[in-house]
Amino acid sequence: EADIYQTPRYLVIGTGKKITLECSQTMGHDKMYWYQQDPGMELHLIHYSYGVNSTEKGDLSSESTVSRIRTEHFPLTLESARPSHTSQYLCASSAWGNTEAFFGQGTRLTVV
Amino acid sequence: GDSVTQMEGPVTLSEEAFLTINCTYTATGYPSLFWYVQYPGEGLQLLLKATKADDKGSNKGFEATYRKETTSFHLEKGSVQVSDSAVYFCALKLPPRGGGNKLTFGTGTQLKVEL
Repeated sequence: EADIYQTPRYLVIGTGKKITLECSQTMGHDKMYWYQQDPGMELHLIHYSYGVNSTEKGDLSSESTVSRIRTEHFPLTLESARPSHTSQYLCASSAWGNTEAFFGQGTRLTVV
Repeated sequence: GDSVTQMEGPVTLSEEAFLTINCTYTATGYPSLFWYVQYPGEGLQLLLKATKADDKGSNKGFEATYRKETTSFHLEKGSVQVSDSAVYFCALKLPPRGGGNKLTFGTGTQLKVEL
């Protein structure tokens, strides 16, 4: 079983609020990722990190930001939530090399 | 660029039917290939993987063979169950050179198995 955790699982929040989605892993993985999953199921990489103090934008432009101050923690922040941010957000981590990524259970965000 | 193409869903099968979900890829190097499964309301779980040509990944009755000559990694199961109903994602990962080493996913294929 993968040791990667996301909180909250579900979040309904009003427009304009600041939110932080938490992601933590206990596997000591250097690489961590955030994916946004649209209702059509497709996964879009929005942020990734290769280690502490390393963050990069993914393939899909996102208004969210991330930080990586500790190896195990990779939070995602939206400064001002909008209805267009409504989606499922999936966090993942992996070791270096051709190894698999482990996923958290996801956060389903609804902005009203 | 690197990409993964999966057959479109949804796929609806009767219990005990044979399953094939096609997956082909385009990559500039020699990727590892993965199948992930996502059950309703959950994150993705690794189903199986193959790291080099001709490798066969298998798990829970599912199999996929890494075919370099056809750049394919088709998922198969001989007899599906209702509990296999989920979304299946094919993915590739290239070696960590030049800042790569990211997973590239297909668009997902929804499988529904009926009694």
